[in-house]
Amino acid sequence: QSVLTQPPSASGTPGQRVTISCSGSSSNIGSNTVNWYQQLPGTAPKLLIYSNNQRPSGVPDRFSGSKSGTSASLAISGLQSEDEADYYCAAWDDSLDVVFGGGTKLTVL
Amino acid sequence: QVQLQESGPGLVKPSETLSLTCAVSGYSISSGYYWGWIRQPPGKGLEWIGSIYHSGSTYYNPSLKSRVTISVDTSKNQFSLKLSSVTAADTAVYYCARQRQLWFGFDYWGQGTLVTVSS
Repeated sequence: QSVLTQPPSASGTPGQRVTISCSGSSSNIGSNTVNWYQQLPGTAPKLLIYSNNQRPSGVPDRFSGSKSGTSASLAISGLQSEDEADYYCAAWDDSLDVVFGGGTKLTVL
Repeated sequence: QVQLQESGPGLVKPSETLSLTCAVSGYSISSGYYWGWIRQPPGKGLEWIGSIYHSGSTYYNPSLKSRVTISVDTSKNQFSLKLSSVTAADTAVYYCARQRQLWFGFDYWGQGTLVTVSS
């Protein structure tokens, strides 16, 4: 059971906008920033969003993040086939712990 | 370009100690940042094991704290993980990674190494 809650799956068609939610508590998302990772099949995770809504260099602006209270969201606009991957949210918890969501498998139909 | 590379035995017997090393190139560990270990059981999600600052300060997942030791060797520009008393539940791909601060994301990752716990 993961500390952060994500839907196990999401899907969309090419060009569509999809969002993935991440729910936590006052000790993690509620008081710290949220990071998002993309994991393509058979590869290491890649940092997609940090500090709630910042994109590392090289990440397309189709990816965006937001946070409100104890929840966060990742939005992908102009969905492409290469976006098919697992997505994980993560945050620092005040119990001195990095906590992850269980992951969301995104399927591009 | 920062690169991380995990190394260590791919098979460990139950009750023994899992030992992995992460060699860092393209960046001096002594310059700063936190250096962490994350694992992923086959077909499952990510779990943070712990992180170490270049000065040696450590932070561990509370659920693993009693069995984990992370250390750093700045002279070799590498850091290591030891996980004691392993069971089959510790079978996973183990990743090493870098983070600017504990609340920041891990921006550079190793490719990961599969460690299987089996007799």
